[in-house]
Order: sequence, then structure tokens, then C-alpha cells
Amino acid sequence: GQQLNQSPQSMFIQEGEDVSMNCTSSSIFNTWLWYKQDPGEGPVLLIALYKAGELTSNGRLTAQFGITRKDSFLNISASIPSDVGIYFCAGRRGGADGLTFGKGTHLIIQP
Amino acid sequence: GAVVSQHPSWVICKSGTSVKIECRSLDFQATTMFWYRQFPKQSLMLMATSNEGSKATYEQGVEKDKFLINHASLTLSTLTVTSAHPEDSSFYICSATSGTRSDTQYFGPGTRLTVL
Repeated sequence: GQQLNQSPQSMFIQEGEDVSMNCTSSSIFNTWLWYKQDPGEGPVLLIALYKAGELTSNGRLTAQFGITRKDSFLNISASIPSDVGIYFCAGRRGGADGLTFGKGTHLIIQP
Repeated sequence: GAVVSQHPSWVICKSGTSVKIECRSLDFQATTMFWYRQFPKQSLMLMATSNEGSKATYEQGVEKDKFLINHASLTLSTLTVTSAHPEDSSFYICSATSGTRSDTQYFGPGTRLTVL
């Protein structure tokens, strides 16, 4: 099945630094979502984007839905230890469709 | 609200046996449930979409006779891995959407299947 191109694959940063990751697709999605997954658990929704060009924040997280509808980015400001985990982008074409996920970005924070 | 549970959380079985995994929406009626598979250190891949009372729609490359999906009620969907083999060992995750919020998928905690 299709996967979205997500980068970087992993990030090693210092606590307090800002983080940026992005996803691109060769086809259009009408909804972009960002999830965080901890080991052995299901993904947890961080931010949902429903409109091209939309910029949405959730605390220290900010995400944008690209105007071409083929990309999205997620920024995390002032990272803290509990931000450690794997972040996935996901796209959805229609409201009743399943999600197409990116390959994930593994965030590691050094104290 | 919007809690999805899975049972069991992990299961170990012998090759050739069948395993059933349950996905339940605890506080809402799930008109649609989705099943995903995640191999170690990889992403989630959609296996099938299940609507209550109708046959599941499988993604390309997913064998419908091997992965039997039943969505008999608005709160329960089951995935049965038939004649399991070691290559079926994976993390199986379901998600559910409600009729009133069909744009949001709520994920279960996943089931770790290990086939010996």
C-alpha cells in the first residue's frame, strides 16, 4: 500500500530545542493528521487539518496543511522529555476512508 | 469520551491456529471501523474497512479469506487471523469513527500477535 514520504526518519535533539518534520505525497489528500505513538500503544491524535493552507496549533505543536494538499509539516517548540516517541503523519482522501500513514519520525531528546 | 478498546492486548499462538481480535467502541456507536497492521519499526498499513452490517472492504494485497472481519454491531468488530503463520506476527490496531464525527478516527491500543 501507499505510504507518505515523511522526514526526517529520526531526530536527536537537546531538550528545549524546536523540532520540525514534514510529509509529502504524490497525490492529494483532503485531510492531514499528525499522530504520536508510544511503544506498544496505538497512535494518539495530535492535530487534524481539514483545509488547504490551514495552520493549527495545539499547545507547543503547530501544523500546517499545504496549499497543494500534497504536504504538511509539524513543528514542536521548546521540546521536553515527554515529547520522545514516534510521530506519524497521515492523510485521508474522503471522510469515510482509512488513513494513509507516513513512515514515521523517531524523536529522541537528550537532556 | 471516544474510547476504543482491543482484546487481547497480546497473544501468542502456534502456527496453523486461528486467532480472534476484538475491537470495541466503549462510549460511542462506531459506524465504521478500520483495521491496520504495523510490523516492527514500520508504519501502520490499512488492511480493511468495515461498516456495520456489511462486508468489509479489503486493501489490495490483503487476503480476505485469511483475515476475516466481522462488524456485527455498532460497538464491536472482530478480526480473525486464520491459519496463522510466523509472518503474520505483527501489531494489529483498530480505529473507529462515529456517525456524528465521521471525520475523526479513534484508535485502539493495539494487539501484539506472535505466531510461533
